[in-house]
Amino acid sequence: DQQVKQNSPSLSVQEGRISILNCDYTNSMFDYFLWYKKYPAEGPTFLISISSIKDKNEDGRFTVFLNKSAKHLSLHIVPSQPGDSAVYFCGETGNQFYFGTGTSLTVIP
Amino acid sequence: EAGVVQSPRYKIIEKKQPVAFWCNPISGHNTLYWYRQNLGQGPELLIRYENEEAVDDSQLPKDRFSAERLKGVDSTLKIQPAELGDSAVYLCASSLGYEQYFGPGTRLTVT
Repeated sequence: DQQVKQNSPSLSVQEGRISILNCDYTNSMFDYFLWYKKYPAEGPTFLISISSIKDKNEDGRFTVFLNKSAKHLSLHIVPSQPGDSAVYFCGETGNQFYFGTGTSLTVIP
Repeated sequence: EAGVVQSPRYKIIEKKQPVAFWCNPISGHNTLYWYRQNLGQGPELLIRYENEEAVDDSQLPKDRFSAERLKGVDSTLKIQPAELGDSAVYLCASSLGYEQYFGPGTRLTVT
């Protein structure tokens, strides 16, 4: 049973528009949720995090929203750029460490 | 600042052979993780170290996998004997707080 789910394996967005990547989880006992970006043949790179006590965290073009009642979080990228094309993983950290299966984002120039 | 270093980057072995992966974490990071990532999946935690102590190895297949972190710095992950299903990318990560820094991974192919 997957603890963290990313139900959209892929997403295509036009350059300049908003990209929204979603993540659902089952375990409420976490400290942080983290978003990672992964290019081919490289390890995941940390992008942005959100604490379990927050509902929003913003860093430049990246904003993560946490809805604890729905056990759902989303990553918004505005405006999307071609260099954002990568696989994005959400992961929870605390007593347990689980990652989703990833969403492949393609930003079309 | 140097990132997490892993070697080798790629390894091809025949089934039933042993294989070992090496990881050098970021200096000062006391927590070290080994993950396995299968194609189309997210990283799955195999083992987590706090300094030299393995604090979570519940997902490590102990019949064939072993790991060590001598002196609480470098770590090695070993598979003996390897099976076809072990083909995956093995990622090492380290952290000081909650943010994990990943190495580039070792892509293992078992034939």
